[in-house]
Amino acid sequence: DTGVSQDPRHKITKRGQNVTFRCDPISEHNRLYWYRQTLGQGPEFLTYFQNEAQLEKSRLLSDRFSAERPKGSFSTLEIQRTEQGDSAMYLCASSRDWNTGELFFGEGSRLTVL
Amino acid sequence: GQQLNQSPQSMFIQEGEDVSMNCTSSSIFNTWLWYKQEPGEGPVLLIALYKAGELTSNGRLTAQFGITRKDSFLNISASIPSDVGIYFCAGQLNGNKLVFGAGTILRVKS
Repeated sequence: DTGVSQDPRHKITKRGQNVTFRCDPISEHNRLYWYRQTLGQGPEFLTYFQNEAQLEKSRLLSDRFSAERPKGSFSTLEIQRTEQGDSAMYLCASSRDWNTGELFFGEGSRLTVL
Repeated sequence: GQQLNQSPQSMFIQEGEDVSMNCTSSSIFNTWLWYKQEPGEGPVLLIALYKAGELTSNGRLTAQFGITRKDSFLNISASIPSDVGIYFCAGQLNGNKLVFGAGTILRVKS
């Protein structure tokens, strides 16, 4: 399978715990995006990387959130001290350098904070 | 910030009917895209539009990039049960992030 892969698909955690999600993009794609989606809404932009450089971060990305892409391949999104409002689907997408808006999304990681 | 307004919010149609949905924005975009999302999956790209006034088809799907660059519509002809899902419009300004609408839920009666 050469699509975008995300892990885990589902995570249930207690409030206050830290969680980490991993995304493996399509191998020849240099851009990697994180989006968050809540029920009844479209995906909301969180951050994106061009290779290993994090080029933009949304105001939605509070200081409890951190994303990395250390070698320009896979990426991790960590949420510290989770809150119930963090419950959402976290979507990763990748695209080529010449970004035409054609993002390829993974299946998402669903987070439930109890 | 940029916001996209999609309408209708949901549709329940008879199999074989044509479907029309649209998306408007207070801001201009250089690219408009339409994605479809099914339960438990990520969005999948259906059509991308790159020029104001452009009309593009993909099988039974047709989409147009409004000449003001602030709107787009998507038509689905002769709907079938597998068209069920949530359809999102998305706009892109300068080759970076996409801004998504809230989606149109499509249900098809067979």
